[in-house]
Amino acid sequence: DAGVIQSPRHEVTEMGQEVTLRCKPISGHNSLFWYRQTMMRGLELLIYFNNNVPIDDSGMPEDRFSAKMPNASFSTLKIQPSEPRDSAVYFCASSFQASGGEETQYFGPGTRLLVL
Amino acid sequence: GQNIDQPTEMTATEGAIVQINCTYQTSGFNGLFWYQQHAGEAPTFLSYNVLDGLEEKGRFSSFLSRSKGYSYLLLKELQMKDSASYLCATDQTGANNLFFGTGTRLTVIP
Repeated sequence: DAGVIQSPRHEVTEMGQEVTLRCKPISGHNSLFWYRQTMMRGLELLIYFNNNVPIDDSGMPEDRFSAKMPNASFSTLKIQPSEPRDSAVYFCASSFQASGGEETQYFGPGTRLLVL
Repeated sequence: GQNIDQPTEMTATEGAIVQINCTYQTSGFNGLFWYQQHAGEAPTFLSYNVLDGLEEKGRFSSFLSRSKGYSYLLLKELQMKDSASYLCATDQTGANNLFFGTGTRLTVIP
């Protein structure tokens, strides 16, 4: 299994530009999570999907952030317009949710975003 | 509400034993995860405890006390490669998202 795949691995952009981060979850997993990690705030959940449906987006910082999951094998996180304070590592994770069962999340390698 | 407390940093000697503590307040608590994260890498799953007690996996063990809202990760025979951040996370009944603590950065010295 290839694990969770994220692209790009690194992104440097200028303030005001649109940034799109991509994620391919592990095949067969039905839940997908977007996290942001910074030194100051640690690992923060932004949004998660279950069976391609957004369940909780309360962690999305503001309207500049949006996420989609058009099918079971692909998700995007978009920032438009980007700001320097968005600089962070963005992780995608996936899990298989079974009723009452353990829901171990498996993380992708992350996208390191730097907004100048 | 949810809250997780872990020490920010710890240092231990190669070959020794170290215990990393985690206390939590989580409504609808279901279970507790430990993840390891090396610098510049993604978090990787170490353990998951639902029942009270100690679970051992090789050099790593994890303990949970539900009544005390307390867990610890025990690392034995420390190796230099164990230098990493260790993240405590909780999940809730009926929800499949995790809430992470800020992590404990462990440095293993010779």
